[in-house]
Amino acid sequence: GENVEQHPSTLSVQEGDSAVIKCTYSDSASNYFPWYKQELGKRPQLIIDIRSNVGEKKDQRIAVTLNKTAKHFSLHITETQPEDSAVYFCAASRSSGNNNDMRFGAGTRLTVKP
Amino acid sequence: DAGVIQSPRHEVTEMGQEVTLRCKPISGHDYLFWYRQTMMRGLELLIYFNNNVPIDDSGMPEDRFSAKMPNASFSTLKIQPSEPRDSAVYFCASRWTGSGYGYTFGSGTRLTVV
Repeated sequence: GENVEQHPSTLSVQEGDSAVIKCTYSDSASNYFPWYKQELGKRPQLIIDIRSNVGEKKDQRIAVTLNKTAKHFSLHITETQPEDSAVYFCAASRSSGNNNDMRFGAGTRLTVKP
Repeated sequence: DAGVIQSPRHEVTEMGQEVTLRCKPISGHDYLFWYRQTMMRGLELLIYFNNNVPIDDSGMPEDRFSAKMPNASFSTLKIQPSEPRDSAVYFCASRWTGSGYGYTFGSGTRLTVV
Protein backbone atom coordinates (compact mmCIF):
# COMPACT_ATOMS: atom_id res chain seq x y z
CA GLY A 1 0.00 0.00 0.00
CA GLU A 2 0.88 3.66 -0.11
CA ASN A 3 3.45 5.01 2.34
CA VAL A 4 3.86 8.75 2.80
CA GLU A 5 6.83 10.27 4.60
CA GLN A 6 6.90 13.89 5.68
CA HIS A 7 9.75 16.16 6.79
CA PRO A 8 10.49 17.98 8.94
CA SER A 9 8.39 16.97 11.93
CA THR A 10 8.75 20.44 13.43
CA LEU A 11 9.58 23.75 11.79
CA SER A 12 10.03 27.13 13.38
CA VAL A 13 10.31 30.29 11.28
CA GLN A 14 10.26 34.01 11.86
CA GLU A 15 7.21 35.93 10.71
CA GLY A 16 7.65 36.97 7.11
CA ASP A 17 10.02 34.15 6.25
CA SER A 18 9.13 31.22 4.01
CA ALA A 19 8.38 27.68 5.15
CA VAL A 20 8.85 24.52 3.12
CA ILE A 21 7.51 21.08 3.99
CA LYS A 22 8.44 18.04 1.93
CA CYS A 23 6.77 14.68 1.39
CA THR A 24 7.61 11.52 -0.49
CA TYR A 25 5.26 8.74 -1.52
CA SER A 26 5.80 5.15 -2.54
CA ASP A 27 2.91 4.24 -4.85
CA SER A 28 3.61 5.43 -8.38
CA ALA A 29 -0.10 5.08 -9.14
CA SER A 30 -1.01 7.84 -6.67
CA ASN A 31 -2.46 10.76 -8.57
CA TYR A 32 -3.86 13.16 -6.01
CA PHE A 33 -1.89 15.03 -3.35
CA PRO A 34 -3.70 17.28 -0.89
CA TRP A 35 -2.37 19.30 2.01
CA TYR A 36 -4.31 19.76 5.23
CA LYS A 37 -3.89 22.26 8.02
CA GLN A 38 -4.91 21.28 11.53
CA GLU A 39 -5.10 23.85 14.29
CA LEU A 40 -4.99 22.71 17.89
CA GLY A 41 -8.12 20.83 18.85
CA LYS A 42 -9.71 21.22 15.44
CA ARG A 43 -10.32 19.12 12.37
CA PRO A 44 -7.88 18.87 9.46
CA GLN A 45 -8.89 21.28 6.72
CA LEU A 46 -7.91 21.12 3.08
CA ILE A 47 -5.80 24.10 2.10
CA ILE A 48 -4.52 23.15 -1.33
CA ASP A 49 -4.22 20.10 -3.54
CA ILE A 50 -2.50 19.03 -6.74
CA ARG A 51 -3.16 16.32 -9.27
CA SER A 52 -0.54 14.28 -11.03
CA ASN A 53 -1.04 16.00 -14.36
CA VAL A 54 0.17 19.29 -12.90
CA GLY A 55 3.65 20.18 -11.69
CA GLU A 56 2.83 23.25 -9.64
CA LYS A 57 -0.14 25.05 -8.19
CA LYS A 58 -0.36 28.33 -6.35
CA ASP A 59 -2.98 29.97 -4.20
CA GLN A 60 -1.95 33.34 -2.77
CA ARG A 61 0.86 32.66 -0.27
CA ILE A 62 0.66 28.89 -0.63
CA ALA A 63 2.13 26.80 -3.42
CA VAL A 64 2.61 23.10 -4.01
CA THR A 65 5.06 21.41 -6.34
CA LEU A 66 5.03 17.82 -7.54
CA ASN A 67 7.84 15.76 -8.99
CA LYS A 68 6.29 12.53 -10.23
CA THR A 69 9.56 11.02 -11.32
CA ALA A 70 11.10 11.40 -7.89
CA LYS A 71 7.76 10.79 -6.15
CA HIS A 72 7.95 13.81 -3.94
CA PHE A 73 5.88 16.91 -3.42
CA SER A 74 6.29 20.03 -1.34
CA LEU A 75 4.30 22.78 0.32
CA HIS A 76 5.66 26.30 0.23
CA ILE A 77 4.29 29.07 2.40
CA THR A 78 5.63 32.55 1.75
CA GLU A 79 5.42 35.63 3.97
CA THR A 80 4.42 33.49 6.93
CA GLN A 81 2.13 34.92 9.59
CA PRO A 82 1.51 33.78 13.18
CA GLU A 83 -1.90 32.43 12.13
CA ASP A 84 -0.09 29.97 9.86
CA SER A 85 1.06 28.18 13.01
CA ALA A 86 -0.54 24.71 12.94
CA VAL A 87 0.19 21.11 12.07
CA TYR A 88 0.33 20.48 8.33
CA PHE A 89 -0.32 17.06 6.80
CA CYS A 90 0.44 15.90 3.30
CA ALA A 91 -1.43 12.98 1.80
CA ALA A 92 -1.46 10.81 -1.29
CA SER A 93 -4.26 8.93 -2.95
CA ARG A 94 -4.94 6.96 -6.11
CA SER A 95 -8.51 8.10 -6.34
CA SER A 96 -9.40 5.72 -9.12
CA GLY A 97 -11.49 2.61 -9.30
CA ASN A 98 -12.02 1.17 -5.87
CA ASN A 99 -8.74 2.51 -4.51
CA ASN A 100 -9.81 5.75 -2.95
CA ASP A 101 -8.18 5.64 0.43
CA MET A 102 -5.90 8.48 1.37
CA ARG A 103 -2.69 7.98 3.34
CA PHE A 104 -1.33 10.81 5.41
CA GLY A 105 2.16 11.85 6.37
CA ALA A 106 3.04 12.11 10.04
CA GLY A 107 2.57 15.88 10.07
CA THR A 108 4.76 18.96 10.48
CA ARG A 109 4.23 21.30 13.39
CA LEU A 110 4.88 24.79 12.05
CA THR A 111 5.49 27.62 14.48
CA VAL A 112 5.66 31.17 13.17
CA LYS A 113 7.29 33.52 15.66
CA PRO A 114 6.08 37.10 15.63
CA ASP B 1 -24.63 22.40 4.45
CA ALA B 2 -23.77 21.57 8.05
CA GLY B 3 -20.72 19.59 7.01
CA VAL B 4 -19.75 16.21 8.38
CA ILE B 5 -21.34 15.76 11.79
CA GLN B 6 -19.86 13.54 14.44
CA SER B 7 -21.17 12.65 17.85
CA PRO B 8 -20.36 12.68 20.62
CA ARG B 9 -17.59 15.31 20.65
CA HIS B 10 -16.08 13.79 23.78
CA GLU B 11 -16.49 10.37 25.30
CA VAL B 12 -15.01 9.10 28.53
CA THR B 13 -15.62 5.46 29.30
CA GLU B 14 -14.27 2.72 31.48
CA MET B 15 -12.19 -0.10 30.15
CA GLY B 16 -14.33 -2.98 28.98
CA GLN B 17 -17.32 -0.86 28.06
CA GLU B 18 -18.80 -0.65 24.58
CA VAL B 19 -18.32 2.63 22.74
CA THR B 20 -20.24 3.76 19.67
CA LEU B 21 -19.14 6.73 17.60
CA ARG B 22 -21.48 8.25 15.05
CA CYS B 23 -21.07 10.10 11.80
CA LYS B 24 -23.37 11.85 9.39
CA PRO B 25 -21.63 12.59 6.09
CA ILE B 26 -22.38 15.52 3.85
CA SER B 27 -25.53 14.86 1.87
CA GLY B 28 -24.72 13.46 -1.55
CA HIS B 29 -21.21 12.33 -0.68
CA ASP B 30 -20.56 8.77 -1.82
CA TYR B 31 -17.43 7.99 0.20
CA LEU B 32 -17.08 7.86 3.96
CA PHE B 33 -13.85 7.33 5.87
CA TRP B 34 -12.99 6.66 9.50
CA TYR B 35 -9.59 7.81 10.76
CA ARG B 36 -7.93 7.59 14.16
CA GLN B 37 -5.45 10.22 15.27
CA THR B 38 -2.86 9.78 18.02
CA MET B 39 0.40 11.52 18.76
CA MET B 40 2.32 8.32 18.21
CA ARG B 41 0.70 7.08 15.02
CA GLY B 42 -0.69 10.22 13.39
CA LEU B 43 -3.74 9.89 11.17
CA GLU B 44 -4.53 6.25 10.50
CA LEU B 45 -7.17 5.11 8.05
CA LEU B 46 -9.37 2.53 9.73
CA ILE B 47 -12.03 1.77 7.13
CA TYR B 48 -13.83 3.39 4.24
CA PHE B 49 -17.17 2.93 2.49
CA ASN B 50 -18.35 3.63 -1.03
CA ASN B 51 -22.10 3.91 -1.50
CA ASN B 52 -22.58 2.39 1.96
CA VAL B 53 -20.47 -0.69 1.13
CA PRO B 54 -17.24 -1.30 3.09
CA ILE B 55 -14.35 -1.27 0.61
CA ASP B 56 -11.26 -1.62 2.75
CA ASP B 57 -11.17 -2.42 6.46
CA SER B 58 -7.54 -3.47 6.60
CA GLY B 59 -6.79 -0.59 8.95
CA MET B 60 -9.16 -1.77 11.65
CA PRO B 61 -6.79 -2.67 14.45
CA GLU B 62 -8.60 -5.62 15.97
CA ASP B 63 -11.84 -7.56 16.02
CA ARG B 64 -12.92 -5.31 18.84
CA PHE B 65 -13.48 -2.63 16.19
CA SER B 66 -16.43 -2.74 13.81
CA ALA B 67 -18.04 -0.20 11.51
CA LYS B 68 -21.35 -0.05 9.71
CA MET B 69 -23.06 2.22 7.24
CA PRO B 70 -26.72 1.21 7.12
CA ASN B 71 -27.64 4.08 4.81
CA ALA B 72 -26.11 7.00 2.94
CA SER B 73 -26.55 9.41 5.82
CA PHE B 74 -25.25 7.49 8.81
CA SER B 75 -22.27 5.44 9.91
CA THR B 76 -21.10 4.05 13.23
CA LEU B 77 -17.76 2.90 14.57
CA LYS B 78 -18.05 0.55 17.52
CA ILE B 79 -15.38 -0.60 19.96
CA GLN B 80 -16.28 -3.54 22.15
CA PRO B 81 -14.71 -4.01 24.64
CA SER B 82 -12.79 -0.74 24.85
CA GLU B 83 -9.22 -0.54 26.16
CA PRO B 84 -7.09 2.40 27.35
CA ARG B 85 -4.93 2.18 24.20
CA ASP B 86 -8.01 3.00 22.12
CA SER B 87 -7.89 6.53 23.52
CA ALA B 88 -7.55 8.85 20.53
CA VAL B 89 -9.42 11.33 18.39
CA TYR B 90 -11.59 9.56 15.84
CA PHE B 91 -12.39 11.50 12.67
CA CYS B 92 -15.00 10.77 10.08
CA ALA B 93 -14.58 12.27 6.60
CA SER B 94 -16.62 12.19 3.43
CA ARG B 95 -16.24 13.14 -0.21
CA TRP B 96 -18.11 13.09 -3.46
CA THR B 97 -16.39 11.66 -6.52
CA GLY B 98 -17.93 14.28 -8.74
CA SER B 99 -16.45 17.22 -6.85
CA GLY B 100 -12.86 16.13 -6.92
CA TYR B 101 -10.99 14.13 -4.37
CA GLY B 102 -10.70 16.35 -1.33
CA TYR B 103 -12.13 15.13 1.94
CA THR B 104 -14.22 17.08 4.39
CA PHE B 105 -13.53 16.06 7.96
CA GLY B 106 -15.92 16.08 10.86
CA SER B 107 -14.96 17.73 14.14
CA GLY B 108 -13.87 14.43 15.60
CA THR B 109 -14.70 12.46 18.72
CA ARG B 110 -12.14 12.54 21.50
CA LEU B 111 -12.30 9.16 23.18
CA THR B 112 -10.74 8.54 26.56
CA VAL B 113 -10.81 5.04 27.98
CA VAL B 114 -9.86 4.88 31.66
